[in-house]
Amino acid sequence: SQTIHQWPATLVQPVGSPLSLECTVEGTSNPNLYWYRQAAGRGLQLLFYSVGIGQISSEVPQNLSASRPQDRQFILSSKKLLLSDSGFYLCAWRGGNTGELFFGEGSRLTVL
Amino acid sequence: AQSVTQPDIHITVSEGASLELRCNYSYGATPYLFWYVQSPGQGLQLLLKYFSGDTLVQGIKGFEAEFKRSQSSFNLRKPSVHWSDAAEYFCAVERSAGNKLTFGGGTRVLVKP
Repeated sequence: SQTIHQWPATLVQPVGSPLSLECTVEGTSNPNLYWYRQAAGRGLQLLFYSVGIGQISSEVPQNLSASRPQDRQFILSSKKLLLSDSGFYLCAWRGGNTGELFFGEGSRLTVL
Repeated sequence: AQSVTQPDIHITVSEGASLELRCNYSYGATPYLFWYVQSPGQGLQLLLKYFSGDTLVQGIKGFEAEFKRSQSSFNLRKPSVHWSDAAEYFCAVERSAGNKLTFGGGTRVLVKP
């Protein structure tokens, strides 16, 4: 069966520090991968999605970047964090066109 | 651009009572429609989805949703709420299969004993 893992689960970082959140999918190949952010009291905002290795689409201009170095690995990064980057980051995958997104457990980032 | 509106930010319901969560979307054609549930500090789990066919869709955990084209709505219902249904619920819309999901702002459900 397919599984999706995110780490770290919780992260507290100072303003200006770098960020790396990792997401790995197991049990499937060539999934579409997504990074969402959920700010406190707000819905989900799509940040990036990828349909294959090295293929990244950015949905909103921001302080973050994404990379897909391997088929089942999706990384969210920042060179210098801002306070506004705090939030709950969710990785998701979709296999083919079934329409259903499968979400990881999320990574909570607090920038101080 | 498509958008999804969940008018109710918070809903409080007594255990055993019925629940209805509203979802309206704006898109010219019939999109693909989803409801997800999120327990505190967790990821999202799919409750149900509508692509075509019967406009009343059954999902997991006793939930159902009805697609009404004339109202551009996809409301979620449960006849009798359990305390474990306390969570945040998200409606989502997709223009076509394989496209990007757009989520509503979510409705937080509190269940009173």
